[in-house]
Amino acid sequence: NAGVTQTPKFQVLKTGQSMTLQCAQDMNHNSMYWYRQDPGMGLRLIYYSASEGTTDKGEVPNGYNVSRLNKREFSLRLESAAPSQTSVYFCASIRGIETQYFGPGTRLLVL
Amino acid sequence: ILNVEQSPQSLHVQEGDSTNFTCSFPSSNFYALHWYRWETAKSPEALFVMTLNGDEKKKGRISATLNTKEGYSYLYIKGSQPEDSATYLCASLDDYKLSFGAGTTVTVRA
Repeated sequence: NAGVTQTPKFQVLKTGQSMTLQCAQDMNHNSMYWYRQDPGMGLRLIYYSASEGTTDKGEVPNGYNVSRLNKREFSLRLESAAPSQTSVYFCASIRGIETQYFGPGTRLLVL
Repeated sequence: ILNVEQSPQSLHVQEGDSTNFTCSFPSSNFYALHWYRWETAKSPEALFVMTLNGDEKKKGRISATLNTKEGYSYLYIKGSQPEDSATYLCASLDDYKLSFGAGTTVTVRA
């Protein structure tokens, strides 16, 4: 049981470049989430998918798109990266009201 | 997104002392309250999921209480140890998503 996995672990982008962050969970969870963590801001929700086939905006969705590829996978795409998107990105999954499990994080630097 | 607040933002504790801190959340339409422990450069790890008013949970030296009617939860650390140094996050569940507080960062001094 790998839990929640994320790739890549680190990434450096130039302004305007695009990239996709991958996330997968093997716990058969229905709901999946993308957060970003910035100093002093805690965890802010970017997008979430309550169930396979649905996605919804969170608190800070601008500049991002998501795809719930299947029940296991939920990807986050930056179409045109900006320095303001420099952050640590966490994927997470949950079943119902139970514990939410987090991936190891992706550290992204946009120059 | 719910307004979840934690206080204090940070605290320093002497090894062996006990401490506690607060999470406040909207009491209407309450589903569940989560506590997570988050060490630097790691992912948040779950401590407790609490759903019932008056609920108390315990895990080793860490415990939590819940008051859903007034919208607050306390986290207690008894006999703090250096390994308890971390940021403690609470989150309230609403409509399939968790709203997180900004966290309380605990530093235990040996």
